[in-house]
Amino acid sequence: AQSVTQLDSHVSVSEGTPVLLRCNYSSSYSPSLFWYVQHPNKGLQLLLKYTSAATLVKGINGFEAEFKKSETSFHLTKPSAHMSDAAEYFCVIRDDKIIFGKGTRLHILP
Amino acid sequence: SAVISQKPSRDICQRGTSLTIQCQVDSQVTMMFWYRQQPGQSLTLIATANQGSEATYESGFVIDKFPISRPNLTFSTLTVSNMSPEDSSIYLCSVSDRGFYNEQFFGPGTRLTVL
Repeated sequence: AQSVTQLDSHVSVSEGTPVLLRCNYSSSYSPSLFWYVQHPNKGLQLLLKYTSAATLVKGINGFEAEFKKSETSFHLTKPSAHMSDAAEYFCVIRDDKIIFGKGTRLHILP
Repeated sequence: SAVISQKPSRDICQRGTSLTIQCQVDSQVTMMFWYRQQPGQSLTLIATANQGSEATYESGFVIDKFPISRPNLTFSTLTVSNMSPEDSSIYLCSVSDRGFYNEQFFGPGTRLTVL
């Protein structure tokens, strides 16, 4: 059975410092993995996706994620946080089903 | 990417009534999905709307409660039937125009409150 686990429900970082949002997955196949962002009272926006090409994936707004099969992880990173990054982030796995993680709320401290 | 609109954007309904949510896409898409996002929760897939045939429902969701139509490649409706306060959620339409393993685009959602 497939699953996706976001290891932190809340993450707080200071503006200008690195961001790390952790995601682990379980799958019997070679999954596609995605990160989406949801700003307050706004729709979901795709940040980046992994679909079995390059393991280091670059997305919008300076975010990137690395697919590590040996660790079954797909962590989202950004070198320098900006106030506008404050939002809810979802890790998503797709193989025979589509499953959303429970989400990580990112807080940016001034 | 596809541009998706949903109607209504929000509604407040009485227990026992039904609400139909519309999803319109600006281009033809192969796959359309309906999700529920309960307050403070993640997204849960309700069903895949199939053009010209019955929707495919996920475990825990049934056609009698959530009937879905998809008359063409740009439009779908989700009805929430015989509503109870537990149905208060955001309902989101999503599309994928390049197959199941590629990214989905999401509508703005319909915020439903059941009294």
